Amino acid sequence: KAGVTQTPRYLIKTRGQQVTLSCSPISGHRSVSWYQQTPGQGLQFLFEYFSETQRNKGNFPGRFSGRQFSNSRSEMNVSTLELGDSALYLCASSSASGGAQEQFFGPGTRLTVL
Amino acid sequence: GQNIDQPTEMTATEGAIVQINCTYQTSGFNGLFWYQQHAGEAPTFLSYNVLDGLEEKGRFSSFLSRSKGYSYLLLKELQMKDSASYLCAVSVSGGSYIPTFGRGTSLIVHP
Repeated sequence: KAGVTQTPRYLIKTRGQQVTLSCSPISGHRSVSWYQQTPGQGLQFLFEYFSETQRNKGNFPGRFSGRQFSNSRSEMNVSTLELGDSALYLCASSSASGGAQEQFFGPGTRLTVL
Repeated sequence: GQNIDQPTEMTATEGAIVQINCTYQTSGFNGLFWYQQHAGEAPTFLSYNVLDGLEEKGRFSSFLSRSKGYSYLLLKELQMKDSASYLCAVSVSGGSYIPTFGRGTSLIVHP
């Protein structure tokens, strides 16, 4: 069974631009969660999607948004990029909604904002 | 909200035993995860404790005390490849049980 895939793996943008990251979960998994990881803050939850619906949202500004498609693939968008958005963005999939499920993480997208 | 605390860094010798502690303060506690993350790689699941006690899985064991808000990950017969960051995460009941992660403990194993 293929693992969670994320594209692109690396991205360099400048302040003010927008970016879209993609995540394909493990086949059969319907829950996709997004996290931001930085050295100072660790792993911080952005949002979770299940069956195309956003189930939960972390404490991030509205510049961070996401969506999920009928095939469970998910995209995350960040508009008006700021230097502080430089981070590793991880997505994780699980078979059901809810943190009691083991989450399988993708390799991440390393975003650098200049 | 949740407050999760774990040491920032630990060092240990190959072949030894190391215990990584995690304390948490949260309401509606449901369970506690441990993940391993090698540098530049994705976190991988190690364990999930819901009930008090010790759960052993090969060289790795995880302990939970719900009354004390305390968990530890025990690594035996350390190997160089165990050098990684170990993340403690708490899930709470209500809503979507999304886990909240601690900042991770960087374990360095030296010969």
